[in-house]
Amino acid sequence: GAGVSQSPSNKVTEKGKDVELRCDPISGHTALYWYRQSLGQGLEFLIYFQGNSAPDKSGLPSDRFSAERTGGSVSTLTIQRTQQEDSAVYLCASRSGGEGSGELFFGEGSRLTVL
Amino acid sequence: GENVEQHPSTLSVQEGDSAVIKCTYSDSASNYFPWYKQELGKRPQLIIDIRSNVGEKKDQRIAVTLNKTAKHFSLHITETQPEDSAVYFCAARSSASKIIFGSGTRLSIRP
Repeated sequence: GAGVSQSPSNKVTEKGKDVELRCDPISGHTALYWYRQSLGQGLEFLIYFQGNSAPDKSGLPSDRFSAERTGGSVSTLTIQRTQQEDSAVYLCASRSGGEGSGELFFGEGSRLTVL
Repeated sequence: GENVEQHPSTLSVQEGDSAVIKCTYSDSASNYFPWYKQELGKRPQLIIDIRSNVGEKKDQRIAVTLNKTAKHFSLHITETQPEDSAVYFCAARSSASKIIFGSGTRLSIRP
């Protein structure tokens, strides 16, 4: 695709339910990042995938959060047993992955509201 | 772990004046420092970046400086215009390619 695509754009769920957020990166981009942005706040690093290497999960806030990237392309961020503090915009970004590549291309984000 | 601190959190300047935003990073192995601009309701977009082998980079009204010894870098916007109003984020990429962002600066340009 022309850019990073995320779905759903908006998700309202009840506390305790599981949610899945999807990211489709720019074709050919081997590096993929997930960030969380709470209202009016900064970009909190969650997880980073690079090619076939083991992902860097050091930013995941709890074991309720997990992410996978299948076939080196599409990624899914899963939040189990959602809590109200999980409410935020979840941003996905990709970059081409080469040593000289720096720019992150962000998706529009998935806004999660936990009631 | 890696950390990036950004100051100030809010900044208001008169149109035409300059704005400066400062960041410090903790990982001395960081080698790439981008700046992103996020307009209200939109996604962050890269405006300028600098690599660890240079000390300064300019692009029209914006410039970034890097002091590797002190582990800090700054964004300078000259001749500010209303369209510069946005939230600006600095970031640092570690040797492991993890990209950590600062907490953001909300810049307002007064007419």
